Amino acid sequence: GQQVMQIPQYQHVQEGEDFTTYCNSSTTLSNIQWYKQRPGGHPVFLIQLVKSGEVKKQKRLTFQFGEAKKNSSLHITATQTTDVGTYFCAGPENTGFQKLVFGTGTRLLVSP
Amino acid sequence: GAVVSQHPSRVICKSGTSVKIECRSLDFQATTMFWYRQFPKQSLMLMATSNEGSKATYEQGVEKDKFLINHASLTLSTLTVTSAHPEDSSFYICSATTRTGSNQPQHFGDGTRLSIL
Repeated sequence: GQQVMQIPQYQHVQEGEDFTTYCNSSTTLSNIQWYKQRPGGHPVFLIQLVKSGEVKKQKRLTFQFGEAKKNSSLHITATQTTDVGTYFCAGPENTGFQKLVFGTGTRLLVSP
Repeated sequence: GAVVSQHPSRVICKSGTSVKIECRSLDFQATTMFWYRQFPKQSLMLMATSNEGSKATYEQGVEKDKFLINHASLTLSTLTVTSAHPEDSSFYICSATTRTGSNQPQHFGDGTRLSIL
């Protein structure tokens, strides 16, 4: 079945260091969405990318959608302790319904 | 906008009890809601898609009789875990979209942490 994998599974950085998580889908996606889940919390929608090669920025966060629309990345510049959480990418299931297939997630820990 | 409320946030009960979880869209109408289950340090696993006024669509391996879903109105979906056992202990989260279509982001409730003793 359709799979969405993320690497790394876990990363521990010092505050101020950069961080990147990579997302790879087994199928071509019409769009990719990114969510952040704080420890003990629920996923919160961050952004959606639709076009091949699209790059979007939100302050220190840079999101990229691959040319083949099968991979994506999230880069955080100069991490802060508020960036702690698990980052999930998600793409629509290829059945045509509204279901999302979530990536395996990358857990980020930032030490002050 | 797009607020989803989930209740209760935490349940601790004895084995054999049935537990009902409510998911409400507070400021929009949700034709479709989704129910997920999440184990510690793992991703979200879709259990079922809840459609207003019709039967829910369950994912493969999810027992329909175990996890009863009712979506009686455009703002409320409920998940009932029937005769819960310790292996049903998990974090259950609902989500909804504000519009139909495969490009819509999902808005999540706060989740329900279920612990069966």
